[in-house]
Amino acid sequence: GAVVSQHPSRVICKSGTSVKIECRSLDFQATTMFWYRQFPKQSLMLMATSNEGSKATYEQGVEKDKFLINHASLTLSTLTVTSAHPEDSSFYICSARVQGQLRQYFGPGTRLTVL
Amino acid sequence: QKEVEQNSGPLSVPEGAIASLNCTYSDRGSQSFFWYRQYSGKSPELIMFIYSNGDKEDGRFTAQLNKASQYVSLLIRDSQPSDSATYLCAVNAGGTSYGKLTFGQGTILTVHP
Repeated sequence: GAVVSQHPSRVICKSGTSVKIECRSLDFQATTMFWYRQFPKQSLMLMATSNEGSKATYEQGVEKDKFLINHASLTLSTLTVTSAHPEDSSFYICSARVQGQLRQYFGPGTRLTVL
Repeated sequence: QKEVEQNSGPLSVPEGAIASLNCTYSDRGSQSFFWYRQYSGKSPELIMFIYSNGDKEDGRFTAQLNKASQYVSLLIRDSQPSDSATYLCAVNAGGTSYGKLTFGQGTILTVHP
């Protein structure tokens, strides 16, 4: 149990376009989802925390107008990278948490390449 | 700023040996501690977590926590080449950061036959 999926697993786009990444909890309801970004040879950096039905909370230095997060249901959160640029190329990973538990279940990640 | 520090390595051990991975954290209010393994190009997978001082064992893995010293470690017994990966220490802080994980930079482990 406790499986989190992400779609797409890999995306290549042109500079200036927007990309949407979906994160789904397949067999449980996730009251909270997290979005991370990982650059090569670096650790995971939390971008934002998303609670179902409310606005996401962004970490310091993360542009909320550039990285749009929607958590419309207990099983789906989306991250939209707007007007993507090459420096946004990274590995984006979501995780989901069940209410009352601290453990986070990670999705397989999405590799974004902006040309 | 809440920080989690790990030795980036690489740590190289022979097959069958014990690998010892260390992590220190700065926030004394931290409540729970996680060890993840990450293979290249993949997302992290949870190895184990620990909340209380002392040792916690799960198969070949033992996590050790010392809150007074703000130190958590992971021992891997009988290391196998398949254990070669980056090991990430993550800390869950309390207070207003409850539920968030702060990751260390990771330790690269290589187990050679």
